[in-house]
Amino acid sequence: DIQMTQSPSSLSASVGDRVTITCRASQSISSYLNWYQQKPGKAPKLLIYAASSLQSGVPSRFSGSGSGTDFTLTISSLQPEDFATYYCQQSYSPSGTFGGGTKVEIK
Amino acid sequence: QVQLQESGPGLVKPSETLSLTCTVSGGSISSYYWSWIRQPAGKGLEWIGRIYTSGSTNYNPSLKSRVTMSVDTSKNQFSLKLSSVTAADTAVYYCAREESSSDYNWFDPWGQGTLVTVSS
Repeated sequence: DIQMTQSPSSLSASVGDRVTITCRASQSISSYLNWYQQKPGKAPKLLIYAASSLQSGVPSRFSGSGSGTDFTLTISSLQPEDFATYYCQQSYSPSGTFGGGTKVEIK
Repeated sequence: QVQLQESGPGLVKPSETLSLTCTVSGGSISSYYWSWIRQPAGKGLEWIGRIYTSGSTNYNPSLKSRVTMSVDTSKNQFSLKLSSVTAADTAVYYCAREESSSDYNWFDPWGQGTLVTVSS
């Protein structure tokens, strides 16, 4: 099965910072990579699909890039409402495995 | 817009069968794949399986022997059964629609989730 590894597992940042989260697949998955944001007690929310396509209604400060095995989620200027846990998910194989998550905390 | 709502018992005894239903409102259940995903407290997300409105299914190989999914298009609902549960199956269970475009797919929207605890 395809393993998804996110780094870092957590980070501390300040409002206004540029934040980058990395996701690595155990084999090439082309651009079959999605990103979700999850706040405590809430369901995950889709941010990015197909590696770089911004979901409707998601602020443009979120962007995704990468293909093959290495992907990044970038928040260009961190806002108070962005403190959350972020998950990548591959949709290359039917099992759709998720990464372990990256928790973005307030510095 | 489409909304999903999970329902079912919040407490299940070990060795018994966990049963959950997801009700879809604001749109038709037809012509989509629908998935179940779970999340143990403080941990990551695990895809359980998907069902198409025709009834065809894919299950996570690690759970396949214990999972059964079904769909009732007349009620706009789909269901999950997980047999022989143990404490390791304690988690928040989410249902989600699988959207697709140009061979890419993703989960959106999601239900709010329901906590199922396995305990005697």
